[in-house]
Amino acid sequence: NAGVTQTPKFQVLKTGQSMTLQCAQDMNHEYMSWYRQDPGMGLRLIHYSVGAGITDQGEVPNGYNVSRSTTEDFPLRLLSAAPSQTSVYFCASSYPLTGGRTEAFFGQGTRLTVV
Amino acid sequence: EDKVVQSPLSLVVHEGDTVTLNCSYEVTNFRSLLWYKQEKKAPTFLFMLTSSGIEKKSGRLSSILDKKELFSILNITATQTGDSAVYLCAVRQNTGNQFYFGTGTSLTVIP
Repeated sequence: NAGVTQTPKFQVLKTGQSMTLQCAQDMNHEYMSWYRQDPGMGLRLIHYSVGAGITDQGEVPNGYNVSRSTTEDFPLRLLSAAPSQTSVYFCASSYPLTGGRTEAFFGQGTRLTVV
Repeated sequence: EDKVVQSPLSLVVHEGDTVTLNCSYEVTNFRSLLWYKQEKKAPTFLFMLTSSGIEKKSGRLSSILDKKELFSILNITATQTGDSAVYLCAVRQNTGNQFYFGTGTSLTVIP
């Protein structure tokens, strides 16, 4: 049972470059999210999706795009990387609220450095 | 503004000590409160609490929720070095997909 799979684990970008962080889950979860984690800031929500074709902005969406063409995949795109986007990124998925379980399942994280 | 506040920010204890981690919240449309343990990698799920006064227990860890006073505590008894981690508290709302995370409590257990 793979759970939530994130790639890559590490990435170094130059300022202005673009890239896509991949996230896939095999639990048929409707809800998927992207967070960034910075020291002293906790986990902050970037974008989230409540199902295929539906996405919405979280707390810190600027500089990032997402799409959700399938239930399984939720890629995060950095349009033009900036040093302020240096962070650890986590993808998460969760059951819908109609179910009994409400916890989020996390991928292993991507450590991104923008130089 | 919805928020989750954890205290203390960090804690250093000796093996065998008992610790209590605190989580208070102001989140509209509360559904559940969740505790996670984060070592070097991804957060791993510990407990989900939805009802006041019902203790959840797993080995040396236990947690309880007070929905009237809007807080939860996580207790760890007889701490071990393997308990060293950041403990995150999160609240999920009853609508949408919003989880609100605290900044975490960093626990270090010294042999």
